[in-house]
Amino acid sequence: GENVGLHLPTLSVQEGDNSIINCAYSNSASDYFIWYKQESGKGPQFIIDIRSNMDKRQGQRVTVLLNKTVKHLSLQIAATQPGDSAVYFCAETQGSWGKLQFGAGTQVVVTP
Amino acid sequence: DGGITQSPKYLFRKEGQNVTLSCEQNLNHDAMYWYRQDPGQGLRLIYYSQIVNDFQKGDIAEGYSVSREKKESFPLTVTSAQKNPTAFYLCASSIWAQGMNTEAFFGQGTRLTVV
Repeated sequence: GENVGLHLPTLSVQEGDNSIINCAYSNSASDYFIWYKQESGKGPQFIIDIRSNMDKRQGQRVTVLLNKTVKHLSLQIAATQPGDSAVYFCAETQGSWGKLQFGAGTQVVVTP
Repeated sequence: DGGITQSPKYLFRKEGQNVTLSCEQNLNHDAMYWYRQDPGQGLRLIYYSQIVNDFQKGDIAEGYSVSREKKESFPLTVTSAQKNPTAFYLCASSIWAQGMNTEAFFGQGTRLTVV
């Protein structure tokens, strides 16, 4: 069903702390996952991706963890900065050619 | 600069009118997508296209139409049949390689308001 009017979950983080954003996915056949960052009024920006044959992948200040057993994905941001304030979406592929399905998103608010 | 360009950034439509949103990419990507985003919600897939002259319905295609006459262009028409068209519309594109999925790159969006 459609969650009309559902407010986004919000994660409030102090500047300099680490952030952990969680995402549950439902399709056990999904084999590719992406984290996007979306600032207000803009299109989503790619952060990091991971394929189902991996458990962990690291980028610059970000780490994605994939637990296929419980169908859970997380994004860790190290030393969170004010510029990290945004909505973060996880996305998964369904089908062999890459049609993305998005989660509802998490609002991250970085406080000084 | 390579990228995806959506126009216009803001669009106002009277009830009963059709409007067309433009999406152009110079990334030489095969696949293109249209998503709709409502306030406080995630992205929902409207239509997608894997190759020129072919496109498929997504999860919420009713009231929308698309065309893919050129690889670079994937315009979306919001028809009068769409009951609640006010939303933020996002176009994306990606490489498609058989057996391997890749990230989708997004445009900056068009905010459509029905007046």
